[in-house]
Amino acid sequence: DIQMTQFPSSLSASVGDRVTITCRASRPITGFLNWYQQKPGKAPKLLIYAASSLQGGVPSRFSGSGSGTDFTLTISSLQPEDFATYYCQQSYSTLWTFGQGTKVEI
Amino acid sequence: EIQLVESGGGLVQPGGSLRLSCAVSGFSLSNTYMSWVRHRPGKGLEWLSVISDGEDTYSADSIKGRFTISRDTSKDTVYLQMDSLRFDDTGVYYCARTPGRKLHWFDPWGQGTLVTVSS
Repeated sequence: DIQMTQFPSSLSASVGDRVTITCRASRPITGFLNWYQQKPGKAPKLLIYAASSLQGGVPSRFSGSGSGTDFTLTISSLQPEDFATYYCQQSYSTLWTFGQGTKVEI
Repeated sequence: EIQLVESGGGLVQPGGSLRLSCAVSGFSLSNTYMSWVRHRPGKGLEWLSVISDGEDTYSADSIKGRFTISRDTSKDTVYLQMDSLRFDDTGVYYCARTPGRKLHWFDPWGQGTLVTVSS
């Protein structure tokens, strides 16, 4: 299986901050990487697919980049509704895997 | 409008079985992949199983031989048959449409159904 490692596992930030979350794959996955946001008690929501494509309806302050083994999710100016847990997910291999999550807190 | 509604969760004893259902509307199961993903307490998201538009299935090693994904296109419903349940299968189970061709993603998701394995 391809292991996905996210860091940091949690971070504290303030409204207006620029936030970057990193996801590293245990072997190259080209651009087969997606990002999700999950709030407590809610289903996850797709933010970014194919490493850098913004899902429709997702604010443009979210962006994704990377290829191969290293990927980043950036929130350009953190908003109150962005406090949540973020997960990366690879679909390069048949057995899809998520990172362990990054909790963004105040 | 695309909707996914899970049902079938509940309390079950270790070793028992449950069948989860995911009723979909707004699209055809014949044209897309569908997946089950779970979120166990204190842990991250875990992809479990997928069924393709052609009914090919793939499952994570953690559930292989115990859980089975299937679908009934006449009922617009995807199922997850869960047998030999263990304490650590407790969690919220989500179904998700899984569009894409070579690259797949999960969107949208259902609201989730809670499975509790306890004696």
